[in-house]
Amino acid sequence: QVQLQESGPGLVKPSETLSLTCAVSGDSISSYYWWSWVRQPPGKGLEWIGEIYHSGSTKYTPSLQSRVTISVDKSKNQVFLNLNSVTAADTAVYYCVRDGYHYGGFDIWGQGTMVTVSS
Amino acid sequence: QSALTQPPSASGSPGQSITISCTGTSSDVGGYNYVSWYQQHPGKAPKLIIYEVSKRPSGVPDRFSGSKSANTASLTVSGLQAEDEADYYCSSYAGNNKLFGGGTKLTVL
Repeated sequence: QVQLQESGPGLVKPSETLSLTCAVSGDSISSYYWWSWVRQPPGKGLEWIGEIYHSGSTKYTPSLQSRVTISVDKSKNQVFLNLNSVTAADTAVYYCVRDGYHYGGFDIWGQGTMVTVSS
Repeated sequence: QSALTQPPSASGSPGQSITISCTGTSSDVGGYNYVSWYQQHPGKAPKLIIYEVSKRPSGVPDRFSGSKSANTASLTVSGLQAEDEADYYCSSYAGNNKLFGGGTKLTVL
């Protein structure tokens, strides 16, 4: 059974960097799938942030591309998200997600982690 | 690229059928057969219920079905049940991007 577990600080100051870790169990990061980050501001809809393949290939949504970096550590079976220069607009639940069908069939979701940007 | 357009709300009585639309452009919904749908109950992570326009993952009831015409995709829920009350989101592949709709809150009356 594949499980994804996000972790990281729940509170980040404005202008600083948001850093999250996704621990993958029950599957290998080096398998066929792409691994994505998706966020959801309180009371609002979902937004795809970007994705990574185990080779290191990445894709990012254009609106966040200048601030986001997604990386992997294959030895630890982990996926990472870094989002710099954060503002209150980055306050959201952040989900680690597996794209089981490559072109946007997000079949496995982590429970999500709430990140608040505030001084 | 903008988010896909969904109606903010939909409702139906138990046993009825409802359809939720998801409108995009020829660069996303209309350009690829890679539309997916998600169900989200309050406080929970989304759950994939339809992928590649009309395919159901294992374990998803056949009451849920998907279709697409031009730039608009649709999710139909037949035989509405109380547990279907949730938020529903569509998503589409868009080249090197993936878009979500704004979500539709489904109320079972």
